Amino acid sequence: EVLLVESGGGLVQPGESLRLSCVASGFTFGDHYMDWVRQAPGKGLEWVGRNTNRANSYTTHYAASVRGRFTISRDDSKNSLYLQMNSLKTEDTAVYYCARGTPDYYGLYYFDYWGQGTLVTVPS
Amino acid sequence: QSALTQPASVSGSPGQSITISCTGTSSDVGSYNVVSWYQQHPGKVPRLMIYEGNKRPSGVSYRFSASKSGNTASLTISGLQADDEAEYYCCSYADTPVLFGGGTKLTVL
Repeated sequence: EVLLVESGGGLVQPGESLRLSCVASGFTFGDHYMDWVRQAPGKGLEWVGRNTNRANSYTTHYAASVRGRFTISRDDSKNSLYLQMNSLKTEDTAVYYCARGTPDYYGLYYFDYWGQGTLVTVPS
Repeated sequence: QSALTQPASVSGSPGQSITISCTGTSSDVGSYNVVSWYQQHPGKVPRLMIYEGNKRPSGVSYRFSASKSGNTASLTISGLQADDEAEYYCCSYADTPVLFGGGTKLTVL
């Protein structure tokens, strides 16, 4: 069974930092792209960023809204994905999900499994 | 790049069919079959319903189907059931940034 379990969320003040973790099990973690997606309270889904796999040199990609502040990394030996969030803003308040990327027929990656999410709150 | 455009809400009665549209551009929705659809019940995790434009993962009911015309993708739910009431999101994963629609609230009357 594929499982993704996020942790590390909490209440932080504007300008502070926080590191989220996502531990995976039930599949070969190193073969998959891993992404972070967030959802502000009462709002829709917003893609945050991606860490590709070893075959693609662990390349990272970020949404414009977080580029330069957030860093995605992974440790395949620990089946873990991380999201380092610096210079947090009130608009970063959201539930943060890690999601597994799986390649389709065309070699493009869709999200087939999601973690339960972890809430990050940055008060105004 | 902008988010994909979905109607804010749709509704239907049990047994009926409904369709949710998702409009993008030739660079995202109009590019290959790169649209996925997610169902999210309140307080729950998004669940993959459709990928690669019109494929259903194991365990997803045949009542869920999808299609595309030009830059607009559509999700159709036939034989509406009470448990179908949820928020539905389209997603274009053609490239990064990955784009989501704003979500459509489906109400089963």
